[in-house]
Amino acid sequence: QLQLQESGPGLVKPWETLSLTCTVSGASISIGGYTWGWIRQPPGKGLEWIDSCYYNGNAYYNSALKSRVSTSFDTSTNQLSLKLTSVTAADTAVYYCARRKDYSGIEHWGQGILVTVSS
Amino acid sequence: DVQMTQSPSILSASVEDRVTITCRASQSINWLAWYQQKPGKAPKLLISKVSSLESGVSSRFSGSGSGTEFTLTISSLQPDDFATYYCKQYHTYPLTFGGGTKVE
Repeated sequence: QLQLQESGPGLVKPWETLSLTCTVSGASISIGGYTWGWIRQPPGKGLEWIDSCYYNGNAYYNSALKSRVSTSFDTSTNQLSLKLTSVTAADTAVYYCARRKDYSGIEHWGQGILVTVSS
Repeated sequence: DVQMTQSPSILSASVEDRVTITCRASQSINWLAWYQQKPGKAPKLLISKVSSLESGVSSRFSGSGSGTEFTLTISSLQPDDFATYYCKQYHTYPLTFGGGTKVE
């Protein structure tokens, strides 16, 4: 059974880089036909898509975050990693790792990790 | 970017009510999904491709629509259905979510 688990610091200082890792078990991140990516949800607010990345290199990003976000893959550990630079309080949110099958919705989600941006 | 507008933002309903949530897109789309989210939990995929029910999801949920207007219907609201629902278009990147509808 596919499982996704986010990890990383729960507190990041303003203007620093937010770094999160998603450990995937039950399936290879290099399998074709799927995108991997991140969605976030500020406290008490709605869902915001961050990015979707194919293992083969194609990646798509939220227009408002594009200049600050990147996602990378590590097949040796079956993980994907998110980096969001120059964070502010507006980046405080629960961050979810997710997998989406082509032509479908996001069928697998991590449990989410709360990241607070504060000095 | 395709803007997704959900209505209503809050819906008050009772058990066994028929509930309809609307999602409007700022341009014509073909690919739409619906999610259910409960407090403190990750969203759960209910419907893909506008109307395809995910495996294991109750048949009281249904999706319909085309072009720019789409609906999620719960035929007979059950206690477990009180949650927040989101639509999301995946017709084109960037992907975009609706603002959510809380069913209370």
